[in-house]
Amino acid sequence: GDSVTQMEGPVTLSEEAFLTINCTYTATGYPSLFWYVQYPGEGLQLLLKATKADDKGSNKGFEATYRKETTSFHLEKGSVQVSDSAVYFCALSDTSGSRLTFGEGTQLTVNP
Amino acid sequence: DTAVSQTPKYLVTQMGNDKSIKCEQNLGHDTMYWYKQDSKKFLKIMFSYNNKELIINETVPNRFSPKSPDKAHLNLHINSLELGDSAVYFCASGGTEKSTDTQYFGPGTRLTVL
Repeated sequence: GDSVTQMEGPVTLSEEAFLTINCTYTATGYPSLFWYVQYPGEGLQLLLKATKADDKGSNKGFEATYRKETTSFHLEKGSVQVSDSAVYFCALSDTSGSRLTFGEGTQLTVNP
Repeated sequence: DTAVSQTPKYLVTQMGNDKSIKCEQNLGHDTMYWYKQDSKKFLKIMFSYNNKELIINETVPNRFSPKSPDKAHLNLHINSLELGDSAVYFCASGGTEKSTDTQYFGPGTRLTVL
């Protein structure tokens, strides 16, 4: 079945540092790929998405590129802020679009 | 004008009780979902309804029964609550076509079973 693997956390960075959170997936066909963010005590918010190979999703300074050859969708941000502290989830939507499969989540803490 | 809303936000109850969580979406989506987030933050789908019809039913105990009175509402009823049911439950809505397969989540309901 489909699966998503994220880099182990937690990740702690200083403000303005570069962020990479790795995500790889296993799926049949061509799934859509997503990054969701969960701020403390809140629900999940869509951060960005990509629906086909080589697509780049971007939002709020975050970027991720759909790499079919490496089955990856790594999340990057050039300069993190304290307000980016949250749990980040990589997910894929199966080819029928009927369910999301999530990675384990990566806790990011950004210190001033 | 919240897109996906859930009530209650917090629910504390005793083992053996029956409880319900309500979910409503005003996005006009055809499909709604329930996900469970455990204490380690892992998220797993439980159910999915499309236009009031059940389309996904994962290996969830039959003490959990979703009900969809219309496509804008998907409620979750849980009978005979157990300690292991303690979790955060998220409702979501979305499309099922590739171009609209983004899911939008509610704020979650934190269920604590004592």
